[in-house]
Amino acid sequence: QKEVEQNSGPLSVPEGAIASLNCTYSDRGSQSFFWYRQYSGKSPELIMSIYSNGDKEDGRFTAQLNKASQYVSLLIRDSQPSDSATYLCAVNINSDKIIFGKGTRLHILP
Amino acid sequence: DAGVTQSPTHLIKTRGQHVTLRCSPISGHKSVSWYQQVLGQGPQFIFQYYEKEERGRGNFPDRFSARQFPNYSSELNVNALLLGDSALYLCASSPDRGTDTQYFGPGTRLTVL
Repeated sequence: QKEVEQNSGPLSVPEGAIASLNCTYSDRGSQSFFWYRQYSGKSPELIMSIYSNGDKEDGRFTAQLNKASQYVSLLIRDSQPSDSATYLCAVNINSDKIIFGKGTRLHILP
Repeated sequence: DAGVTQSPTHLIKTRGQHVTLRCSPISGHKSVSWYQQVLGQGPQFIFQYYEKEERGRGNFPDRFSARQFPNYSSELNVNALLLGDSALYLCASSPDRGTDTQYFGPGTRLTVL
């Protein structure tokens, strides 16, 4: 059973601090990795994708991938109250199937 | 530009009934994927359709079926509804085959009584 694991949280971070979200996956053959943000009652929204080992930065967001350790993370710098949401890690098993983790609830404390 | 649209927004059914959910992808997108999201869980992959053919299937029973039409819109059908089928059903569209760049619709909230 291919799996994607995330700590469900909630993760509480003071406003302005760095939020660090982590994800591990079981399928060593996975090539594509994604972070989605989901506000309560809304649908998921893609915020980052990463395909190669290392870091990828986009504004306040940095995705980190370590395929040897089967580990993906998302850093959010200068956290804002509007960042409070559930963050879903997703992994492509093959080009036609994607597996989501259960999500980590992030709460930014004003 | 219009995003992914889904209908209906909410639906209440009773056990044993059948339901059809509909999805219209973003204009120009040829791939549609369906997901089930139970409260407190991440979305679970049900199907992917590309160019009107099933390209991927998740671990769901045969009660779940789908199809894609020539205009790339899609329907998800669920027969013999169970209480456990109560969930948010999400549709996502992608420009081409694959799930790398997909955009989600607002979802259909199905309640089975």
